[in-house]
Amino acid sequence: EIVLTQSPATLSLSPGERATLSCRASQNVSNYLAWYQQKPGQAPRLLIYDVSNRATGFPARFIGSGSGTDFTLTISSLEPEDFAVYYCQQRSSWPLITFGQGTRLEIK
Amino acid sequence: EVQLVQSGSEVKKPGATVKISCKVSGYTFSDFYMQWVQQAPGKGLEWLGLLDPEDGKTKYAEKFQGRLTLTADKSTDTAYMELSSLRSEDTAVYYCTTGLFVNWGQGTLVTVSS
Repeated sequence: EIVLTQSPATLSLSPGERATLSCRASQNVSNYLAWYQQKPGQAPRLLIYDVSNRATGFPARFIGSGSGTDFTLTISSLEPEDFAVYYCQQRSSWPLITFGQGTRLEIK
Repeated sequence: EVQLVQSGSEVKKPGATVKISCKVSGYTFSDFYMQWVQQAPGKGLEWLGLLDPEDGKTKYAEKFQGRLTLTADKSTDTAYMELSSLRSEDTAVYYCTTGLFVNWGQGTLVTVSS
């Protein structure tokens, strides 16, 4: 099983600051890496697919990057609505899917 | 508009079986895999398995093999998730999601308690 490790577990920042979230895979996942945003009481929402492609409805301040085993989600300038939990997910081992344990982005 | 509407909350006793439905609309049911995801209270996302509605083929996460059954009824565009031998750690919200996780149901809370 491919294990995804996200860091940090919690990130405390202020609106306007830059957020950098990390996701490391236990083996090469090629470009089959996605990110999801989840707010309290809501279903997760696809944010980034295939490393760097933004899903519908998300602004350009969300940037996905990386390759192989190391991936990053950057939010260039935080807006109040960006504070949520973010999960990475791999589908390199399709049909077996795994998620990271999540990073909670909270307001400082 | 694609919609996935799940059945309501359930309370079950340990050892029981729960069956959750996920009715889809807005697309051709057989065109996309249906996947299921578990989220325990305050915890992260765990992939349970997937079903191809076209032919009924399934793939389950090893952790749930033997207890999980995914099915679909093409006549009603509805997918089902059945989890048996329930234990307290199965208390969670269960989501159905289509294709590559673009569209999600609203979630169904299953509480396992004696």
